[in-house]
This record gives sequence, C-alpha cells and structure tokens, in this order.
Amino acid sequence: DAGVTQSPTHLIKTRGQQVTLRCSPKSGHDTVSWYQQALGQGPQFIFQYYEEEERQRGNFPDRFSGHQFPNYSSELNVNALLLGDSALYLCASSRQGRYEQYFGPGTRLTVT
Amino acid sequence: AQSVSQHNHHVILSEAASLELGCNYSYGGTVNLFWYVQYPGQHLQLLLKYFSGDPLVKGIKGFEAEFIKSKFSFNLRKPSVQWSDTAEYFCAVMGNYGQNFVFGPGTRLSVLP
Repeated sequence: DAGVTQSPTHLIKTRGQQVTLRCSPKSGHDTVSWYQQALGQGPQFIFQYYEEEERQRGNFPDRFSGHQFPNYSSELNVNALLLGDSALYLCASSRQGRYEQYFGPGTRLTVT
Repeated sequence: AQSVSQHNHHVILSEAASLELGCNYSYGGTVNLFWYVQYPGQHLQLLLKYFSGDPLVKGIKGFEAEFIKSKFSFNLRKPSVQWSDTAEYFCAVMGNYGQNFVFGPGTRLSVLP
C-alpha cells in the first residue's frame, strides 16, 4: 500500500519564478492538506482540499494556490517566488471526517 | 488564535533515561491532539493521538501522552529512551471539526548511546 508521495524531491528556483509541486495521497484517502516547514520550525498549514475544492486556508497570501484532481491527487502552486518561500513543503492526506493525517516526504524548495 | 507551545527546543538524554516533553495549547473549544515524530531523513509519522475518552493514550514504540484539560497540556512520555528515539517531536492540535491543524515548533531529542 503506497503511502503519500510527492514530487519533485528537490527544486531550485529563482526569485520571481513560479513553481508547481505535486502530491498523490495514500490509497483510500480523499483529502489533501499542504504545509510549509521552514528550517527549525514546525509545519504551518497552507490549505486543504476535498472534493476538488479548497475547504480551509491558513495565513498564506494568494500567491499560494492549489488544485485537486478527480483522482484526489493535488498540486500546490506558488507564484512570484520570494527568498522566504524557501522551505520544505509537506503534503498530508486523510479521509474526510477522520483527523489522522499521513505525511509525505516533502519537496525541498530553494529560492535563490 | 490557536497556538501550540513546546517547552524545550532541544533535549539531550542518555539511553534508558526517562523522557517527558511538554506541550501546551491555546484553543477555545474541544480539541483533538497529536504527537508526530520526524526521524532524521524521514517523513513525519504519527506517534499517538487523543480524540476523547481516557486522557492517557498509548502510542507506538512505547510512547504515551496524558491530556490534562485544566492545564491545556498534552505531554509526551517514555519510561526508557533508546538511541533510536533520536528525532524531532512535534505536538499538534486540531479543532473538533477538523479545522485549524496547528503544529508546535518541535523539540529535538538527542539520545546518547
């Protein structure tokens, strides 16, 4: 049973560029959440998708957007990258109504 | 706003020592509580969770945590740590309807062999 998978593993972008990160949830899960984890800090909630709609959003600007596909996989898009966007981006999946989240390995984004 | 604090940034113990990591939260309602662990080079894994019922919950690898509602605390404990417990530990809280999942800043545990 495959767990949560994320791609790519690492990414280097230049300030001002745009980036797309991808996530496939654990089998049987229909809800995907995205988190940003800066070095030495706990993950911070970006947003959550269920039934292809954004259901909850944390305190992140509109430059952060997402999408969920009919197969429950999800993308995180970040526009106009800033140096401060450098972080580990984590995807977590769960079943709607159940609050245990399973995390993927993350995508390490470096903005130069 | 919801928040989670963890008392220690870095804890260093010798093998077989007892462990207690503090976690306090701020939330104006019923909560669900979690401890996650992140071993070096690995992804976040759920150690244990509390939703309701017995405030003393047991998790994987011999860990347990106690929910004390009056103190807004959910401390993690293990009677005897092993070198393999070296990791980053995160406390997290979620509202009772699945909203506002908030992590604490984490505590790094180093266990000396």
